[in-house]
Order: sequence, then C-alpha cells, then structure tokens
Amino acid sequence: GEDVEQSLFLSVREGDSSVINCTYTDSSSTYLYWYKQEPGAGLQLLTYIFSNMDMKQDQRLTVLLNKKDKHLSLRIADTQTGDSAIYFCAEILSGAGSYQLTFGKGTKLSVIP
Amino acid sequence: DGGITQSPKYLFRKEGQNVTLSCEQNLNHDAMYWYRQDPGQGLRLIYYSQIVNDFQKGDIAEGYSVSREKKESFPLTVTSAQKNPTAFYLCASTRGGSAYNEQFFGPGTRLTVL
Repeated sequence: GEDVEQSLFLSVREGDSSVINCTYTDSSSTYLYWYKQEPGAGLQLLTYIFSNMDMKQDQRLTVLLNKKDKHLSLRIADTQTGDSAIYFCAEILSGAGSYQLTFGKGTKLSVIP
Repeated sequence: DGGITQSPKYLFRKEGQNVTLSCEQNLNHDAMYWYRQDPGQGLRLIYYSQIVNDFQKGDIAEGYSVSREKKESFPLTVTSAQKNPTAFYLCASTRGGSAYNEQFFGPGTRLTVL
C-alpha cells in the first residue's frame, strides 16, 4: 500500500476551517511536511513539524501530530479562496546517508465563496 | 534572487523522440531531484543526485536518464523507451546531508507526447 495516505478532495466554504488529514507508515520519520501546489506550479513548503512535537501553530495554520496513530493533520483557519490548491503531506525517509521525501497523493482543497 | 528554473514550461514532442528537460538552480544546493506528477498520483521520484557526477535511480527510473556534470544543473532526458511520457515534471533541490530536508521546487515542465 501507499506509504503516505491522504483523501483526494476537500470542499469548504470561505471563512470556515479546513482540516486535511494524512497517515504515514514510517515510525522513524523525523520530520513531516505540508506542501502547497497551486494550479500549474511547483510545490511550496507551507510548514513542517519535528517528530518530538505534538502541535505547531503558524498564523492560520495548525499542524497536529499523533505519533501513536501515525496521523498528521493540517488545519487552516478562516479559509480563503486563495487557499484553493493541492496540499501534499510528506515524510522523510533516511537510508544510506541520503534523505528522501515520500509524498502522499495530495488533497485538492476547493474553497466555495 | 535564488531559485530553481525549469524550461520550457510546455513541451510537445512526437512519439519515439527523445527530449531533454532543463533544471538549473543557483541556491548552491548539493542534492537535486526529478519527480513525475500524474493526476491523482502525487509525486513519484525518477532520479536524484546528492553530489556532482553521481546520481541514483528513484522509484520510476525506467525510460529516463540524467546527468550531473555541474552542481547547478540536473537535466532529465525522457527517452523513447518511456512508455507513457506525457506528464508534469518537477525538479527540486535541497542543501542535503541533514534530516531537515526542505525541498525547493521549480515551476515544472508539462510534457505532451503526440
């Protein structure tokens, strides 16, 4: 199965909160990331969390990490139309001295005005 | 401004032709990556390079080739052996060598094989 799993679609109304969920499989992952991709563009790092943290807040973004369940979530408060994009969860895998990211398939967030 | 550039943004080729996608970075990053993105499939790693003159296959390397002759450049060739080359291709780079591995992405090249 997939190493990182996300639901493919989420639709919310402008002003509401969005919660995007992700499950991962590698319990030794040290960092977990959320990337944002706008249409036809590359990915931009939104935020990340270190594995010894439970929560990280950055303005409208809140990341929650449940290591026991290997569950990561991204909450966007007061969602705006500009938040419409694909959001990727990623975990880092280490081996042979290199560090690779494994990405989920991405959650497409649609914000309804 | 530092960043990663990919050119061209859109590329059309006839079936059976090889095509090379450009990726350049001026971030002084050691590691560079090529990903392929298909709708609903997320990103899949094609090749990566941690240092000049060295590169490793990713999960879907068949039908692709790369070179890393300069730190700044990591071109990807899509060969005629790649059975389904139409996709969005993303290049990324990172300083490398540490567990915190923020990858910086280029804007992507959309390849369409006719």
